[in-house]
Amino acid sequence: DAKTTQPTSMDCAEGRAANLPCNHSTISGNEYVYWYRQIHSQGPQYIIHGLKNNETNEMASLIITEDRKSSTLILPHATLRDTAVYYCIVRVYSGNTPLVFGKGTRLSVIA
Amino acid sequence: DVKVTQSSRYLVKRTGEKVFLECVQDMDHENMFWYRQDPGLGLRLIYFSYDVKMKEKGDIPEGYSVSREKKERFSLILESASTNQTSMYLCASRTNAGYNEQFFGPGTRLTVL
Repeated sequence: DAKTTQPTSMDCAEGRAANLPCNHSTISGNEYVYWYRQIHSQGPQYIIHGLKNNETNEMASLIITEDRKSSTLILPHATLRDTAVYYCIVRVYSGNTPLVFGKGTRLSVIA
Repeated sequence: DVKVTQSSRYLVKRTGEKVFLECVQDMDHENMFWYRQDPGLGLRLIYFSYDVKMKEKGDIPEGYSVSREKKERFSLILESASTNQTSMYLCASRTNAGYNEQFFGPGTRLTVL
């Protein structure tokens, strides 16, 4: 079973920041938070991951609370192409453990 | 550019047929995975393999088997296809090391009539 809870859907105006929350209250000390997204008719695509510090890359920023029980993915300037289902996943950093996907959040970016 | 390819984008089969879904990756990854995706149910893990000739059951292995004879190829087999196996099938691969980003193929939409 997925160890995360996400809202089913969200809307965001084009050009504004999209803030996608995720709860992972049972996260273990050696588990990371990963984010993937799935654009319609494509396979999921990796976005970002983090342990406890905030992380930023060319796609997004990841903010993890100090107690690590929740996190927020931020798309700073959402475009129509960011419309997708966003998955928050917790797992250990490396090794064989499979990714377990929950239902994710369906983000709709509106012009 | 890294790549995971799947043998077919769309496939139509009849009930009772034996179906092979092929997946090939060119990244020398140890781990390979098969998921199915259905509306309202999300992505569910069928089988995975962490090495050649090794396989592990995922959450929903019933009605499926897999084969991994070579590192780059992971096959999903439906021994006797049924209508409830109509679905989108997604293959993925990743390395064991580092943060091991998982790469997905484009998917095969299988319809069983």
